[in-house]
Amino acid sequence: DSGVTQTPKHLITATGQRVTLRCSPRSGDLSVYWYQQSLDQGLQFLIQYYNGEERAKGNILERFSAQQFPDLHSELNLSSLELGDSALYFCASSVSPRQTNEQFFGPGTRLTVL
Amino acid sequence: EDKVVQSPLSLVVHEGDTVTLNCSYEVTNFRSLLWYKQEKKAPTFLFMLTSSGIEKKSGRLSSILDKKELFSILNITATQTGDSAVYLCAVSGNTGNQFYFGTGTSLTVIP
Repeated sequence: DSGVTQTPKHLITATGQRVTLRCSPRSGDLSVYWYQQSLDQGLQFLIQYYNGEERAKGNILERFSAQQFPDLHSELNLSSLELGDSALYFCASSVSPRQTNEQFFGPGTRLTVL
Repeated sequence: EDKVVQSPLSLVVHEGDTVTLNCSYEVTNFRSLLWYKQEKKAPTFLFMLTSSGIEKKSGRLSSILDKKELFSILNITATQTGDSAVYLCAVSGNTGNQFYFGTGTSLTVIP
């Protein structure tokens, strides 16, 4: 158990809908990362927040957005969902925003878009 | 274009064998290379490498980085069925502060 929690565990929804994935980092970690893992594309970095502010942006679609709240939990919002958005979404946390730090991964949220 | 390539894609060995997994990268302004093990759940951290030529070891696992040739290897000796997993390599650079992951090497250890 990494100490990072993600909810929900599974999510099934229809195309065109909007969902929110939630992540709570490990106690003391200020940095949160979001990743998407699909069968055909492997693990893709989406976005990073540090202490409430966006720190780095990866391959995140415009239909996706994220934020980190004052209590350091983070939410990833996915809208206008498409079949291709079906994937495992991981959240990870680390102590600092530096790229050389180890990241601890949550158990993931499996999103299925029908 | 920044990228990380892992090889082989898949590997099946018998218990007790030694395996070497490869990770090559082309990432602007390299900062670190990380190895993760992913079973049927979230990736778990194995090693972080930032300097060339310094081997990191943890039990039967070891890893080394070559920043001149832009690759890293992960060695697993005396493999066990519990080593069966996908091994992911990730590289960070400071261009856009991105992490780049390879597609992983799937290792299956059979008794």
